[in-house]
Amino acid sequence: SQQGEEDPQALSIQEGENATMNCSYKTSINNLQWYRQNSGRGLVHLILIRSNEREKHSGRLRVTLDTSKKSSSLLITASRAADTASYFCATANAGKSTFGDGTTLTVKP
Amino acid sequence: DTGVSQDPRHKITKRGQNVTFRCDPISEHNRLYWYRQTLGQGPEFLTYFQNEAQLEKSRLLSDRFSAERPKGSFSTLEIQRTEQGDSAMYLCASSPGSGEPGELFFGEGSRLTVL
Repeated sequence: SQQGEEDPQALSIQEGENATMNCSYKTSINNLQWYRQNSGRGLVHLILIRSNEREKHSGRLRVTLDTSKKSSSLLITASRAADTASYFCATANAGKSTFGDGTTLTVKP
Repeated sequence: DTGVSQDPRHKITKRGQNVTFRCDPISEHNRLYWYRQTLGQGPEFLTYFQNEAQLEKSRLLSDRFSAERPKGSFSTLEIQRTEQGDSAMYLCASSPGSGEPGELFFGEGSRLTVL
C-alpha cells in the first residue's frame, strides 16, 4: 500500500476559488513533496517542504506540514482552469519517495 | 532538450512477450527511479539506482522484472513473459546527489498495453 493518502479523492471548484488538498502519511519522513500530473503525462514537481519546516509558499501555492499529526495540506489560491490536474503528495524516506493516490482537481471556467 | 526521456512512449504487446523500456535521465543526475502507475492510482515504486548500483527493488516486483543502469547513465526496464496485469504507465525519474531524495524530474512515461 502507498505511504500517503490524499483527501479528498476528487475536488471540483469554480475558477477563482481556492482549492485545498490534504495528505496523511504513516511513517517518519525527511521531506514531503507535492507533484502535479496532467492526464497521460509525467509528474511535475511543485514544492518540497522539509520535516523541520511548518509552512512554505511558492506563487499561488501554500503548503503546510504537521509532523505531529503526520499530515500536510496544499492550498492553491485563485484557481484557474489550467490548474485542472491530479495532485500527489510524496514522502521521502530511506532514499526513495513514496506517493499517495492523489486528488483529482477540476476547475470549471 | 535536457529533460528525462523515455522510449517507447507506447507499447502494445501480446501476453507472454518480453518488453524493454529505456530511460535517459538528466545527464548530471546520479539517481534514477522507476515507478509504475495504473489508472486512478499514484506512482508505485519499483526500483532505484545510485549511479550504476541498484540500491533497492520493491518486494512487489516479481522476478519477471529486471532493471539495469550499466554505466550509470541510461537505464532499461525489462519485463519478461508479460501478463495482462502488467498493463500500466511506467515512469522514470531522476534526481541529483545522494541522501534523501529532493525534487524528482519525471519523464513522460512509457504506456504498456498487454493484450
